[in-house]
Amino acid sequence: GAGVSQTPSNKVTEKGKYVELRCDPISGHTALYWYRQSLGQGPEFLIYFQGTGAADDSGLPNDRFFAVRPEGSVSTLKIQRTERGDSAVYLCASSMHPNTEAFFGQGTRLTVV
Amino acid sequence: EDKVVQSPLSLVVHEGDTVTLNCSYEVTNFRSLLWYKQEKKAPTFLFMLTSSGIEKKSGRLSSILDKKELFSILNITATQTGDSAVYLCAVEWGGSNYKLTFGKGTLLTVNP
Repeated sequence: GAGVSQTPSNKVTEKGKYVELRCDPISGHTALYWYRQSLGQGPEFLIYFQGTGAADDSGLPNDRFFAVRPEGSVSTLKIQRTERGDSAVYLCASSMHPNTEAFFGQGTRLTVV
Repeated sequence: EDKVVQSPLSLVVHEGDTVTLNCSYEVTNFRSLLWYKQEKKAPTFLFMLTSSGIEKKSGRLSSILDKKELFSILNITATQTGDSAVYLCAVEWGGSNYKLTFGKGTLLTVNP
């Protein structure tokens, strides 16, 4: 596609529910990143994929968060037992290779009520 | 402590003014510094800087990196209302993992 696509653009869920956020990277980009941005803060790194494998998941805050990229293209960020503190904009980015500029999607605004 | 610090946190100017946004960093194994413009949700890429003293320019925007003093500046000349946004600075550093550490951003408001 022309750019990084994220769906849904907005998600409201109840505390304790499970959510999945989807990211479609730019075609041909091997590197994919998830970031989380709270109000008034810069994006914070969550996880980085190179191809199908999670090369670095050190930013995932706890074991309720998990992400996959089974075919090396689309990625899904999964959050179990959501908490109000999970409310944020979740941004996905992709780059042609590591160490080249990353292009961001529009993000998913997650609100846990 | 914060590894990437941006200043000022917010700035209000009039159209036509020139602004300078600052980004300082303190990391090990620095690789690159990137500037992004964030208007709604998606940060859009502006510049990637890896070498000291080489200015990168795109229209009215320019940026330069000082690896000795560990900072970068982003200049915007002849500002327009469309320049109003949050400007984010990010640093790529560390081992073999290509993740970015962002500053909190500078909120720029350009009034007509």
